[in-house]
Amino acid sequence: DTGVSQNPRHKITKRGQNVTFRCDPISEHNRLYWYRQTLGQGPEFLTYFQNEAQLEKSRLLSDRFSAERPKGSFSTLEIQRTEQGDSAMYLCASSTDGPRGYEQYFGPGTRLTVT
Amino acid sequence: AQSVTQPDIHITVSEGASLELRCNYSYGATPYLFWYVQSPGQGLQLLLKYFSGDTLVQGIKGFEAEFKRSQSSFNLRKPSVHWSDAAEYFCAVGPYGGSQGNLIFGKGTKLSVKP
Repeated sequence: DTGVSQNPRHKITKRGQNVTFRCDPISEHNRLYWYRQTLGQGPEFLTYFQNEAQLEKSRLLSDRFSAERPKGSFSTLEIQRTEQGDSAMYLCASSTDGPRGYEQYFGPGTRLTVT
Repeated sequence: AQSVTQPDIHITVSEGASLELRCNYSYGATPYLFWYVQSPGQGLQLLLKYFSGDTLVQGIKGFEAEFKRSQSSFNLRKPSVHWSDAAEYFCAVGPYGGSQGNLIFGKGTKLSVKP
């Protein structure tokens, strides 16, 4: 049973550059979530997919952020024109459908540093 | 608004001692409740969950938690702490409003274990 995987694990970029992260969920999970975690805080919800449909977006997800899940499998999160405030750990989680959908399994995260 | 409070930012216990981590939530209905553990630089691992039924739930690694509706609490306990339990622990609640499943996390409690 392979878990949720995320790539890259670490990304250092200069302010103003674009970055893209990838998440591969557990294979039988049709729900996929993105969270952001800053130092000293718990994860904060960004967006959620049911199969390929993006069903919910947090107010934290500014216009510079876009997420896709084109075939209902892996997902990408892109940040355009990065700012220093975007420095954080970006976590992906997946789950099954139905009530057990709240039981989310997390990947190791991508740590973004914007210089 | 829904919220999760973990009153203790940092706790230090001796190896072999008992542990209790506190979690209080604010939610308009019976929530789903979770405890996750995060080792440095890693993603989150699900320790245990409460959906309904027996208010004392058992999890992995010898952890248990008790749901107390009257106190809006879901405290995590372990009778004898091991050095490998040193990590950060997050309490989470779901569902959130009309959401299909994103979780709200507390700010976490960092556990240190003295030899």
